[in-house]
Amino acid sequence: AQSVTQLDSQVPVFEEAPVELRCNYSSSVSVYLFWYVQYPNQGLQLLLKYLSGSTLVKGINGFEAEFNKSQTSFHLRKPSVHISDTAEYFCAVSSGYSTLTFGKGTMLLVSP
Amino acid sequence: DTAVSQTPKYLVTQMGNDKSIKCEQNLGHDTMYWYKQDSKKFLKIMFSYNNKELIINETVPNRFSPKSPDKAHLNLHINSLELGDSAVYFCASSQEQVTRGYTFGSGTRLTVV
Repeated sequence: AQSVTQLDSQVPVFEEAPVELRCNYSSSVSVYLFWYVQYPNQGLQLLLKYLSGSTLVKGINGFEAEFNKSQTSFHLRKPSVHISDTAEYFCAVSSGYSTLTFGKGTMLLVSP
Repeated sequence: DTAVSQTPKYLVTQMGNDKSIKCEQNLGHDTMYWYKQDSKKFLKIMFSYNNKELIINETVPNRFSPKSPDKAHLNLHINSLELGDSAVYFCASSQEQVTRGYTFGSGTRLTVV
């Protein structure tokens, strides 16, 4: 079985500040890891993914995430956020052929 | 142009009614899914389906049934709607091996009154 824990339900931050959204996973097999973003009243959009290779993964909109196998983490970061980054962010895990299991989401609130 | 399209976008209906939500993907993907997103934004898998098998989340009431007329479509039919069915329902698709992740539709907001 696989599971995902997003440690923060809400992260408030000021515009142009750095941000980190935390994600921990558990799985008995090798995993693929994903971050999705959901803007208000929209569907989910893939931000980035880790399949193998380099543990630092770059995604769209200036986001990046680092896979840490020993800590079973896949934290999402951005060095400088914009108001437009305000959205719900979901971490997800799959073993490859299984369905994606999502965390409960982290609401990123960017204020001026 | 739309990769995964769902209709309708909004659905308001009375308790006890039967309704369907349609989903179509033009990506040539093997597998399609239905997720339910509750008021707390939690995403819960309901079904996954490819041309080999239907996998049902055991917690989904049997009032919910997926129907797939062909590989590009996976509709969701709901019988005897209840207030607790109010949620946003997302359709998604992927290749059988999910290394590219899912492509999601824009969701259907179902409100049962």
